[in-house]
Amino acid sequence: EAGVTQFPSHSVIEKGQTVTLRCDPISGHDNLYWYRRVMGKEIKFLLHFVKESKQDESGMPNNRFLAERTGGTYSTLKVQPAELEDSGVYFCASSQSRNQPQHFGDGTRLSIL
Amino acid sequence: AQSVAQPEDQVNVAEGNPLTVKCTYSVSGNPYLFWYVQYPNRGLQFLLKYITGDNLVKGSYGFEAEFNKSQTSFHLKKPSALVSDSALYFCAVRDGRSGNTGKLIFGQGTTLQVKP
Repeated sequence: EAGVTQFPSHSVIEKGQTVTLRCDPISGHDNLYWYRRVMGKEIKFLLHFVKESKQDESGMPNNRFLAERTGGTYSTLKVQPAELEDSGVYFCASSQSRNQPQHFGDGTRLSIL
Repeated sequence: AQSVAQPEDQVNVAEGNPLTVKCTYSVSGNPYLFWYVQYPNRGLQFLLKYITGDNLVKGSYGFEAEFNKSQTSFHLKKPSALVSDSALYFCAVRDGRSGNTGKLIFGQGTTLQVKP
């Protein structure tokens, strides 16, 4: 089966611009998660979707970040406007249930100049 | 508050020797524990998990981990290290009482270097 797919793999934008990251989960996985790792620090949770509903968005840093999962399939994470501190690697993961292991994509490396 | 600690930034071991990567955790409820491995420019790959049952959990690529409730630890082990095991390892925990969220809390990661 295909794994979790993320694109782009790398994005370089200037401060103040908008960027949209996309995640395609494993087919049939209702649970979709976003995480990010900033400057070699620990991986931090951003939010959790169950189908199209936001189950937990406690990790979203501020209102410049908007995540959607229309139709309960793929998800997008938009950063608008991007700030320097948003640089990092953004990971998406999916799982069949919340107790099952999460399967991760290769991540999107976001660089804000 | 939930937290995970990986006290070693890097672990060095010779090929063929046993390896241990340490992890301790703090959660309010029953812990669901996971180990993941990350190779350069790739995502995290699931190695093994503990939710309930036998304290010794076996996973992929010959890795195993031992859950120790009294010490709140979940150390990753392998009897004989391979050069190809060199990678970044993350321990993660989910609080079993955390309601409907599947949120994982990660440690900072430990780089494992296996030398020939």
